[in-house]
This record gives sequence, C-alpha cells and structure tokens, in this order.
Amino acid sequence: DTEVTQTPKHLVMGMTNKKSLKCEQHMGHRAMYWYKQKAKKPPELMFVYSYEKLSINESVPSRFSPECPNSSLLNLHLHALQPEDSALYLCASSQDREQGNYGYTFGSGTRLTVV
Amino acid sequence: GENVEQHPSTLSVQEGDSAVIKCTYSDSASNYFPWYKQELGKRPQLIIDIRSNVGEKKDQRIAVTLNKTAKHFSLHITETQPEDSAVYFCAASTPAGGQNFVFGPGTRLSVLP
Repeated sequence: DTEVTQTPKHLVMGMTNKKSLKCEQHMGHRAMYWYKQKAKKPPELMFVYSYEKLSINESVPSRFSPECPNSSLLNLHLHALQPEDSALYLCASSQDREQGNYGYTFGSGTRLTVV
Repeated sequence: GENVEQHPSTLSVQEGDSAVIKCTYSDSASNYFPWYKQELGKRPQLIIDIRSNVGEKKDQRIAVTLNKTAKHFSLHITETQPEDSAVYFCAASTPAGGQNFVFGPGTRLSVLP
C-alpha cells in the first residue's frame, strides 16, 4: 500500500458543529502532517507528528485539534470553525524525518466548507 | 526562517516545447528540494527531488538543477505534453526544519496543443 487515505472527501459543517477529519497510511512512515491549502495557494503547514508525538504546531487556532492515535492514523478535530477556515485539508506522511529528508506522500484531501 | 520564491506564476508553452520554472531560497542551510505537481482538484504529487550534494538530477523528461552558491534551483520539462498542464510547487527544507517544507507560491503551467 503506497497511499495516504483521507476521509471524508467533502465536508460541509456549520460554525457550531464538531467534526473530525481522518487520515490513514500503511507505508510504515513515522512522520505525519496536516496541511491547509486555499485555492491557488501552496499548502501551509499546520501540524507535524513524529513517532506519534506532536513536534510542531504552526500557531494554529485551538479550534483545530490534532490527534495521532497510532503510527498509522492521524485525526484533525474541528470545532467552532469560521467561514475563512474553508479550504482543502491535506494529510501527508513521510519516512523517518530524523533520518533525513524525504518527499511527502499526500492524501487526496478533504474539501471543507464552513457555512 | 526560510523563504521560497518561484517564477513565473503562469507559463504557457506549445506542446513539444520545453518549460523551465525557477525557484530561489533564502536559507543557505536548506539541503533538500522537492518538486510537486498538482492537477486541478487533485493531491500534490512528488515528481522529482534533489539534495544539496548533487547539482543535477534527471528522470526521463524532467530534470532539476541546483545552484547552491546562488541559492536557486530549477525544474526543466522537455517535450511537453498536454498532461503536463498543472500547478507546480517547489519546496525547500532545512536540516533544522526536518521535513517541514516551505513551499513556493506555485507556477500554473499550460501546455497548448
């Protein structure tokens, strides 16, 4: 399996809703990432997990809460989002980041619309 | 922190011609430079990468060159085909940043038949 799987593919939620995005990989990668991508813009890093521990939080608002239950799974819990949070949310994974730099494998993303 | 610039922002070429996209980076400690292709509505996909101990790398019609002194790297696509049409992002990563890439703003390439 050489893929990163994200669910759901599309999500529409109200500003008072609570929802979760899910990401799964079975490539043995020990680093996993959440990125946010607005239209016609590059991906922006939100969170990095290395060996299931949060190593970087790029000053993301607390209405976004990441969780890494195990080395294959990554969740992003959403609560009280704003319309400007509407974007494509990409999960990515890579080989052990402590061993050097490797390219990411991105998931297909969840297109989130906040109404 | 690292800053990556990318030019041009849009590029149109005739099918069969070559396309070149250039990126510059600011942090001389950056040592890994991947390129991603993102088709409309799809995920970014790694197409080629280069490490700082190499000056050039080629994979079929795609090549990347790196000039560490000038702190710039370029993507070269030869014999372009309509399926090469996409947005291309360059990125840079420093040892201190691990694999926390800083992406360039992207280049929209259109290959005209």
